[in-house]
Amino acid sequence: KAGVTQTPRYLIKTRGQQVTLSCSPISGHRSVSWYQQTPGQGLQFLFEYFSETQRNKGNFPGRFSGRQFSNSRSEMNVSTLELGDSALYLCASSPDYPSDTDTQYFGPGTRLTVL
Amino acid sequence: AQKVTQAQTEISVVEKEDVTLDCVYETRDTTYYLFWYKQPPSGELVFLIRRNSFDEQNEISGRYSWNFQKSTSSFNFTITASQVVDSAVYFCALSPRANSGGYQKVTFGIGTKLQVIP
Repeated sequence: KAGVTQTPRYLIKTRGQQVTLSCSPISGHRSVSWYQQTPGQGLQFLFEYFSETQRNKGNFPGRFSGRQFSNSRSEMNVSTLELGDSALYLCASSPDYPSDTDTQYFGPGTRLTVL
Repeated sequence: AQKVTQAQTEISVVEKEDVTLDCVYETRDTTYYLFWYKQPPSGELVFLIRRNSFDEQNEISGRYSWNFQKSTSSFNFTITASQVVDSAVYFCALSPRANSGGYQKVTFGIGTKLQVIP
């Protein structure tokens, strides 16, 4: 099975621009979660999508949004970029088993640099 | 509010030594999940375990073991007979557990950097 893929791997943008990051989960996985990792704030949960619906959300401003398509692929969008948005953005997929044995699989991440 | 404390920022051990990474958490939720993740130098995060707060049994997976003690709000991770490949940053995390399922708002610790010296 192919793993979780994220595109692009690296991205450079300037302040005020917007950006869209893509995540393709493992085939058959229905849940996709997004995380932001920065040196200052560490790892933070952005949101989780399941069956094309945002099921859970972290504490990020409305500039951060996402969506999930019928094939479970997910995109996240950041509008009006700020310098502080420079980070590694990680995506994870999981089968979302009803039991507590669910496991997440992470992609390699997208490194976003805002100049 | 949720909080995860990993007091050890960096640990160095010699290969084959056992090492325990500490994790202490705070939450007002009655049901919750605890996690451990590994981030090797390559940067890709690896999910190691998710533990339901109802289940206080210790977990063992190969050289890895986890000790969950609700009474002390701790979820410690032990690597037995450490290897160089275990060198990584390890994150402990916490989230509420709701009937709606999925990965709720997850709070991460700052991570413990483990260096295993050959």
